[in-house]
Amino acid sequence: AAGVIQSPRHLIKEKRETATLKCYPIPRHDTVYWYQQGPGQDPQFLISFYEKMQSDKGSIPDRFSAQQFSDYHSELNMSSLELGDSALYFCASSLKGTAYTDTQYFGPGTRLTVL
Amino acid sequence: AQKVTQAQTEISVVEKEDVTLDCVYETRDTTYYLFWYKQPPSGELVFLIRRNSFDEQNEISGRYSWNFQKSTSSFNFTITASQVVDSAVYFCALSAYYGGSQGNLIFGKGTKLSVKP
Repeated sequence: AAGVIQSPRHLIKEKRETATLKCYPIPRHDTVYWYQQGPGQDPQFLISFYEKMQSDKGSIPDRFSAQQFSDYHSELNMSSLELGDSALYFCASSLKGTAYTDTQYFGPGTRLTVL
Repeated sequence: AQKVTQAQTEISVVEKEDVTLDCVYETRDTTYYLFWYKQPPSGELVFLIRRNSFDEQNEISGRYSWNFQKSTSSFNFTITASQVVDSAVYFCALSAYYGGSQGNLIFGKGTKLSVKP
């Protein structure tokens, strides 16, 4: 079965640079979530989109922005990168429906290293 | 506020031992979801199970079983006859249910399980 695709898998940037992470949800899934996982930490929710509209917002810095496109893929844009942004960034997708179908499936993650 | 507590930071067992990972949650919502995810050393997050708050039926899947008890706000995970491949960090997670769908996941701090041969 098709899974969530994230690109790139690894990214190295310098401080103050920008980065763009991409997420391609499971086909037919209409909702995308972004999470950030620091070293040795649990994943923290950043932002989510449903049908191309922002649906919820978590602890996402103002330097970050995201959107979901007409083909349902999503991009997380990160500017003025800081050393503390080094983390594993996960995208998850789900299909809104009944309580039995709405499960978030995660992509493999993008490991961002800021030097 | 929602909160998930996994009191066991690390557990080490020898292969074939049974092991239970504890999860206690807090929420004021009457409808919510509970999850377990596995994160092996390779880093991906693998979905294991989902439980809806209105379904307290316990579940068994092969060597895995889950015990959901609303009375104690717990959702514990047991691995029977553990294997080296079970070595991973296991996260318990909680989400609310509103507007006809689930919200974002609130994760516990995770329990690192090491299974030694």
